Amino acid sequence: SQKIEQNSEALNIQEGKTATLTCNYTNYSPAYLQWYRQDPGRGPVFLLLIRENEKEKRKERLKVTFDTTLKQSLFHITASQPADSATYLCALAKYNFNKFYFGSGTKLNVKP
Amino acid sequence: DTGVSQNPRHKITKRGQNVTFRCDPISEHNRLYWYRQTLGQGPEFLTYFQNEAQLEKSRLLSDRFSAERPKGSFSTLEIQRTEQGDSAMYLCASSLAQGGSRSNQPQHFGDGTRLSIL
Repeated sequence: SQKIEQNSEALNIQEGKTATLTCNYTNYSPAYLQWYRQDPGRGPVFLLLIRENEKEKRKERLKVTFDTTLKQSLFHITASQPADSATYLCALAKYNFNKFYFGSGTKLNVKP
Repeated sequence: DTGVSQNPRHKITKRGQNVTFRCDPISEHNRLYWYRQTLGQGPEFLTYFQNEAQLEKSRLLSDRFSAERPKGSFSTLEIQRTEQGDSAMYLCASSLAQGGSRSNQPQHFGDGTRLSIL
């Protein structure tokens, strides 16, 4: 089965800086890679999806890259704000979207 | 858009009891997923429905677990003879799959049912 690694240590950054989170995977290359945000006691909220033939995707202050050679995705939040503090999860899926594998998430703390 | 709704939000029960959770997906979504999430971990896939058909089931889903989606609308997840290890957040997600795989949309999650076994 797919193994997904996200940094288990919290990432602490100063407001206004760029936060970069990493998602590494083993075994097969997924067709889709997604990033979600999760707040305590809430379900994950979808942020961005990137396909295997896409190198980069942007949405407002968010940017995702996907390197199938390195088997890695990077998730960037520019001009970070304290409201961005949450746990960020990456998830991988095959073409048919039948099954998703989630990483354990990285907690981001943005300090004012 | 009312989003994905899960009930109850919290369930506390004694070991050995049966529990049932309900998920109401976004109305036009034809796919429905159940996940389990424990503290500090990401969601673990349990099972998946396309309309009313249960198409995939994880090995995590023991014989004590059963899920249904009658008429392809809401879904229920039942756990029989609950055990301490069943304590977790149970998440439901739905999505819309149309035509080829490239048009598949990402999942929308509910806020889960937190199960505590005494």
